Order: sequence, then C-alpha cells, then structure tokens
Amino acid sequence: NAGVTQTPKFRVLKTGQSMTLLCAQDMNHEYMYWYRQDPGMGLRLIHYSVGEGTTAKGEVPDGYNVSRLKKQNFLLGLESAAPSQTSVYFCASTRTGGYTEAFFGQGTRLTVV
Amino acid sequence: DAKTTQPNSMESNEEEPVHLPCNHSTISGTDYIHWYRQLPSQGPEYVIHGLTSNVNNRMASLAIAEDRKSSTLILHRATLRDAAVYYCGPHNYGGSQGNLIFGKGTKLSVKP
Repeated sequence: NAGVTQTPKFRVLKTGQSMTLLCAQDMNHEYMYWYRQDPGMGLRLIHYSVGEGTTAKGEVPDGYNVSRLKKQNFLLGLESAAPSQTSVYFCASTRTGGYTEAFFGQGTRLTVV
Repeated sequence: DAKTTQPNSMESNEEEPVHLPCNHSTISGTDYIHWYRQLPSQGPEYVIHGLTSNVNNRMASLAIAEDRKSSTLILHRATLRDAAVYYCGPHNYGGSQGNLIFGKGTKLSVKP
C-alpha cells in the first residue's frame, strides 16, 4: 500500500518551460489537494478536487492548472514556469473531506532558474 | 474562507506537557478542526481532528473551545521526536466544499 506518491521528487526548470507534477493515491480517496510550501509561509493551498472530474481554486491558484481525469490521479501543471514558482509542492488526499484524516505525499522540490 | 492564526514558535522541555494554540475565528459549522505536524524534510502527517468535543488519541489530545473559535493541541509529555512544525486548520466535510487551509504553523522546539 503506497499511499500518496508524487512524481518527480526533484526538478529544475528554466523560466518559461512547462511541466506536470503527478500525484497518485491508491486509497480510493475522493478528495485531493495540491499545496506549495515556501520558507515562513507554511502550506498554501493551490487547487483541490472533491471528486473525479472536478477541480476548484485554493488560496494561490494563479500560474497553475490542474486536472482530475481519473479518481486516483491529480495533476498539477505549470504552463510557463517562473522563478516565483520555486517551491516544495505537496499533494494530499482524504477519503471524505473533513470527516477523515488527510494523507500527504513526500513532496516535489521544484527550482525554476 | 476561515482565517487561521498560530504562534510562530514555542519551546518546551522534554517530558513536560505542551499546549499549542490555534485561532480559527471564522470557522463554519461544517468544519472539522484538523492538526498535522511536519518533521524536517518530510511531508506533513496527521495528528488529530475534532468537531465540537475534546478528542484524545495515542499521539495527542485536542481541546476545542465551546464557541469553536479556538483549539489547543496538547502533547502530554513532549519528547525530542515531537520537535516539528505543527499546522492547524478547518476542514469542511460537506458536499462541494472541502478545502483544507492551514495556519502558518508553529515550530516546536524540545529541549532535553
């Protein structure tokens, strides 16, 4: 049972390049989340999904897009990366929203140069 | 969205109790209060959550104010392994809502 798996773990991008971060969970959870973590800023919610085919904006959605085509996967896309998007990205999932605990992945460290 | 505030840092001595506060003054009636902690270079891990009543588990206790606008995470006997950043936040359990937004976290230092 892998839980929440993020791919890749590390990545360096040049300004203007695009990339997709993959979050996969094998717990049949309905809700999935993407966060970014910067020094002194804690965990900030980018986008989330309450079920397959649905997405919603979080606190800091600008510059990111997401898709949830399959229940087990939640993709985070950067169409044109900027240095301000240098951060550690975490994915999480929960079975039924606030009723149950969230499980987090181990993070993706992204550097945009 | 609820605004959640936490102290930036706290210190404790090993084997003493620790009370970590969290203010969530705009919490809604359908929000659970969740707590997570993050060890260095790791993803956050679940600690405890509750709705209205105080909650206990093997890791900690959660005391929720009667008006639900604040809560306190209680570590009964701090160990060196409890040194981490602790995050709290309201988490909605209803329908199309479901965002989990955290405070900026409290960095707990434990002295031997």
